Amino acid sequence: EAQVTQNPRYLITVTGKKLTVTCSQNMNHEYMSWYRQDPGLGLRQIYYSMNVEVTDKGDVPEGYKVSRKEKRNFPLILESPSPNQTSLYFCASRPGLAGLTGYEQYFGPGTRLTVT
Amino acid sequence: QQPVQSPQAVILREGEDAVINCSSSKALYSVHWYRQKHGEAPVFLMILLKGGEQKGHDKISASFNEKKQQSSLYLTASQLSYSGTYFCGTGKGGSQGNLIFGKGTKLSVKP
Repeated sequence: EAQVTQNPRYLITVTGKKLTVTCSQNMNHEYMSWYRQDPGLGLRQIYYSMNVEVTDKGDVPEGYKVSRKEKRNFPLILESPSPNQTSLYFCASRPGLAGLTGYEQYFGPGTRLTVT
Repeated sequence: QQPVQSPQAVILREGEDAVINCSSSKALYSVHWYRQKHGEAPVFLMILLKGGEQKGHDKISASFNEKKQQSSLYLTASQLSYSGTYFCGTGKGGSQGNLIFGKGTKLSVKP
C-alpha cells in the first residue's frame, strides 16, 4: 500500500531532551516536507526537500533540523525541544514529476508532540 | 505572506452550495486545495496552475484568478462527507517546494 508513515504517533517529552520523528514513504517521491499544525494557525511548513541531500527552510524552521540521506526517509530532529514546539506534526511527500500529478501531496498520519 | 481564507467557518444543510475563497498579496504560480477531516491528515483536492491547468475532484471545482491573486473552491450540492476544514496553499516560483497554507475554513454540513 502506498503510504507515508510517521513514528512515533504520540510523544510526550521534557524540555531539552533531543528527539527524532521519523518519516518514510514508499512511493519513490522526490519531494518531502514537514509541517506543524496549531489551532487557528493552519499548516505551517518547517522544512522541505526536493531530493536526496537537498533541503531548504520553510516558514518556521527555527528549532528544527532535517536530513535527507535516502530518498524514502526524511526525519525531523528537535535538538533541544521547548514547550512552544508542542504541536501536531505532519510529514508529506509528492512525486515532483513534471505535470499536474507531480503536485499531489500525500500526508502521513501525524505525530502529536507534547513538550513539558 | 500566508494566504487569507474566507469565510473562517460555514454551516450548510445537505444539498446547499458553498464557496471558499483564498487570496494572496503575492503573485501566485499555483493554488492547492486540501481537506482535513477531524483527527485525520489533510487530503489533496485540487491543484490550479497559472495559465489555466488544473486537476482535481469530479464534484468539486475551483477557479484561479491570476490578476486578482485569488482562488475560489466551489462545493455544490454538499454532502455530509464534505464536512471538514479546507486549506488553500500557495506555491512560489518554479520549484514549488515551499507551500504556504492559509488558516483554513471549517465547513460543517448538517442533515
